[in-house]
Amino acid sequence: AQTVTQSQPEMSVQEAETVTLSCTYDTSESDYYLFWYKQPPSRQMILVIRQEAYKQQNATENRFSVNFQKAAKSFSLKISDSQLGDAAMYFCAYSPGRAGGTSYGKLTFGQGTILTVHP
Amino acid sequence: EAGVAQSPRYKIIEKRQSVAFWCNPISGHATLYWYQQILGQGPKLLIQFQNNGVVDDSQLPKDRFSAERLKGVDSTLKIQPAKLEDSAVYLCASSLWGQGAEAFFGQGTRLTVV
Repeated sequence: AQTVTQSQPEMSVQEAETVTLSCTYDTSESDYYLFWYKQPPSRQMILVIRQEAYKQQNATENRFSVNFQKAAKSFSLKISDSQLGDAAMYFCAYSPGRAGGTSYGKLTFGQGTILTVHP
Repeated sequence: EAGVAQSPRYKIIEKRQSVAFWCNPISGHATLYWYQQILGQGPKLLIQFQNNGVVDDSQLPKDRFSAERLKGVDSTLKIQPAKLEDSAVYLCASSLWGQGAEAFFGQGTRLTVV
């Protein structure tokens, strides 16, 4: 079974600074997808960024970028120019590819990292 | 575009009572998921539907939990009888069918069992 581990229960950053959230995962598959989701106090999960395992290029979405190390099974999220609105719980998640059978799409989440942004 | 709708937002019940949650996914999304999120943890998949068929319910406690998705659109999740450990946020999500498709989440129902 796949597992996702986030070893940082809490992180903090000053506004306008950069912070990196860590995530490692375990899988025997070669085809899969990795995600970072943000969950503010409203509880609604919002997709931040998505990475296909077969792509070597790291995904980037504006101030958010990832460092995807497939061999090391590591998937960290870098937030640049942090803003107060970035404060939330961040979840790393894994989804199997086509080899996962009909349940591809299913997300396995890590335990989450609470990010605090200081003004 | 309307998002995933869930109701109620909050529910408090006594143990051994029953409760039901409702979810209306984004129009056109074939896949629907129910996740359970216990406080301080990441969400855990309870059940996944593809249209009105069950794809994965391996982590659904079938002795007390049931779910259905009639006509491949709305879905309900029921707990009967509830236990204290069922206190959690129940999240519904939907996506287009396909590997790596983005899942869109509702705001969840916070259930407290006393």
